[in-house]
Amino acid sequence: GIQVEQSPPDLILQEGANSTLRCNFSDSVNNLQWFHQNPWGQLINLFYIPSGTKQNGRLSATTVATERYSLLYISSSQTTDSGVYFCAGPSGGGADGLTFGKGTHLIIQP
Amino acid sequence: NAGVMQNPRHLVRRRGQEARLRCSPMKGHSHVYWYRQLPEEGLKFMVYLQKENIIDESGMPKERFSAEFPKEGPSILRIQQVVRGDSAAYFCASSPAAGSYEQYFGPGTRLTVT
Repeated sequence: GIQVEQSPPDLILQEGANSTLRCNFSDSVNNLQWFHQNPWGQLINLFYIPSGTKQNGRLSATTVATERYSLLYISSSQTTDSGVYFCAGPSGGGADGLTFGKGTHLIIQP
Repeated sequence: NAGVMQNPRHLVRRRGQEARLRCSPMKGHSHVYWYRQLPEEGLKFMVYLQKENIIDESGMPKERFSAEFPKEGPSILRIQQVVRGDSAAYFCASSPAAGSYEQYFGPGTRLTVT
């Protein structure tokens, strides 16, 4: 099945900073999602982005499918952005379940 | 439009008891997926169901775990004779169709086995 690797594993920033999170995948994908798991454990859908660029407020994402990577940009970070950010792609082989990366643990300090 | 609903949100069971986790998909969605988040392993796919059918259970443990999605009512993930290693967060997701569609996740059920 597909392999999903995320970097960096941990990131500590001051409030107001910008950040870029990366997701590499081992095979072509037709479904790529970004999630934020908040400190209470809830998984929040951020982007469904198999290709191209999308923006939602201070967050944006870009997937370059031909080069098998996706980037999540967070601008003007706020403490509420803290948590773990996951990317996930299809498991492959005709399966519809998602394969998740191990996540980037982001801490925004006031 | 209500999102994916899961209940209970927290469940405590003693070793050997049964755990039943429920998931109601988003309105208009007929595809349900279950995932488990263990502290050491991250989020892992367990099973994919459509109404009255299990499509892919490649991620389900071979024993004690079962899932169903009846014609009426929520999807159920059932764990028999729970052990401490079953303690985890169990997430349900739904999508409107198979294939390249966004999956929307519920808030999860946190199972603690004592």
